[in-house]
Amino acid sequence: DTEVTQTPKHLVMGMTNKKSLKCEQHMGHRAMYWYKQKAKKPPELMFVYSYEKLSINESVPSRFSPECPNSSLLNLHLHALQPEDSALYLCASSEEGAVSSTDTQYFGPGTRLTVL
Amino acid sequence: AQTVTQSQPEMSVQEAETVTLSCTYDTSESNYYLFWYKQPPSRQMILVIRQEAYKQQNATENRFSVNFQKAAKSFSLKISDSQLGDTAMYFCASLTNTDKLIFGTGTRLQVFP
Repeated sequence: DTEVTQTPKHLVMGMTNKKSLKCEQHMGHRAMYWYKQKAKKPPELMFVYSYEKLSINESVPSRFSPECPNSSLLNLHLHALQPEDSALYLCASSEEGAVSSTDTQYFGPGTRLTVL
Repeated sequence: AQTVTQSQPEMSVQEAETVTLSCTYDTSESNYYLFWYKQPPSRQMILVIRQEAYKQQNATENRFSVNFQKAAKSFSLKISDSQLGDTAMYFCASLTNTDKLIFGTGTRLQVFP
């Protein structure tokens, strides 16, 4: 089973709203990732959590706040977003979070975010 | 810095035919992995195939196979017996010990009946 789930599938929010994206995996993976993908572009890495600790922050604005409550769950809290933040947000997980024999990243279906 | 280049923005192929998508990469690492991901209109990013750089044998996965030329830093994907469901954006990606997956710009593949 290589399933990563994300909720909600679609989200529309105003610039003053606070919302959260949720990602879950039950594969026992210890690394989880948030990516942002604009239309017709490749995904761009935002954050990496390894063993529930933030290991990489790709200079993401503070209006995006990640959280990893446990090894199976990853949240992305959103506050005071801008219209240019509208994108597909993808979550991924991998077994160890480092180059090893099984470090393949498996992606969820994404959340389509629209900021009005 | 790591880079991945896909020089074909769009490709098309007729059903049941074979198509090859190109990818070149650049890395100074000795240990790395290469991937092809498929993203259909449903937008789910799906792993197609993976290649470990230290393995000389080309990876295969059913109708999908790669031509891995390490010296040339080339990693092309061959899709045999193309099916309508293969229509998607295909991303080539590389991974080193920085834990960052570096994507190419993608190739949009259209399979025609």
